Amino acid sequence: DIQMTQFSSTLSASLGDRVTITCRASQSISGWLAWYQQRPGKVPKLLIYKASSLDSGVPSRFSGSGSGTEFTLTISSLQPDDFATYYCQQYDAFPWTFGQGTKVEIK
Amino acid sequence: QLQLQESGPRLVKPSETLSLTCTVSGGSIRSNDHYWGWIRQPPGKGLEWIGTIYYSGSTYYTYYNPSLKGRVTISVDTSKNQFSLKLNSVTAADTALYYCARHHEVWGQGTLVTVSS
Repeated sequence: DIQMTQFSSTLSASLGDRVTITCRASQSISGWLAWYQQRPGKVPKLLIYKASSLDSGVPSRFSGSGSGTEFTLTISSLQPDDFATYYCQQYDAFPWTFGQGTKVEIK
Repeated sequence: QLQLQESGPRLVKPSETLSLTCTVSGGSIRSNDHYWGWIRQPPGKGLEWIGTIYYSGSTYYTYYNPSLKGRVTISVDTSKNQFSLKLNSVTAADTALYYCARHHEVWGQGTLVTVSS
C-alpha cells in the first residue's frame, strides 16, 4: 500500500497568513493526488485534483503543487472559512489512501 | 446537479452485516469513466477509503481496501440508480460516519453507523 504522510497534524496560523501543508507519498504517485477540506461536522470538500487542478468553485487562494512523492497545498491568504482539517489522498494505485489530516487552527 | 444520499440502518449488532445504499440523482451510475465508492470516518478520526466500483465498457470493476480483510462487497443496482455497501462480521471498530461518493468531487451527507449490542 502507498502510505501518505502529512507531517503536521496541527498548524496554527493567523488571518491573512500564507499557509503551506505538505503531503509525502511512500512511492511515486505521479500527479494522482487530491486535497480535501473538512470543516467541523461537515462533508469533506474537494479542493484540488491531479495535484494542481482547482475544483470548480474553489477560491483561487488555494493552490496545489508537486509531483512524484512530494506535494503541497498552499492557502495564499488565510480566511475565516479556511480553519478546517485538510486531507491529501492518492489515487494512483489501489488501495487509495488518505493522509492523516492537518488541522489549521487559529493562532 | 448530481446528488448522492446514503440510507440504511444506523445501529448494527456485533458480528452482523452492515448494509448501506447510496441513491444517485441528477446523473446516471452507468456513466463511463466515473468511480463510485465508499469512505468512512470513525468519530474524531481521519478518512478511510473502503472501496470503489468503476463502470467501463458495460462492465463493473470493484476495488476494496485489503485492510478490511475481505469483509466488503460493493454492488450496483442500475434499475434504481443505486450502489450498495455490505460489510460483514462488524465490530465496534466499524463504528463510523459512512460516506458514498462519486470520486472525488461529489459526496453524500454521510450516515453514522454504530456497532453495538
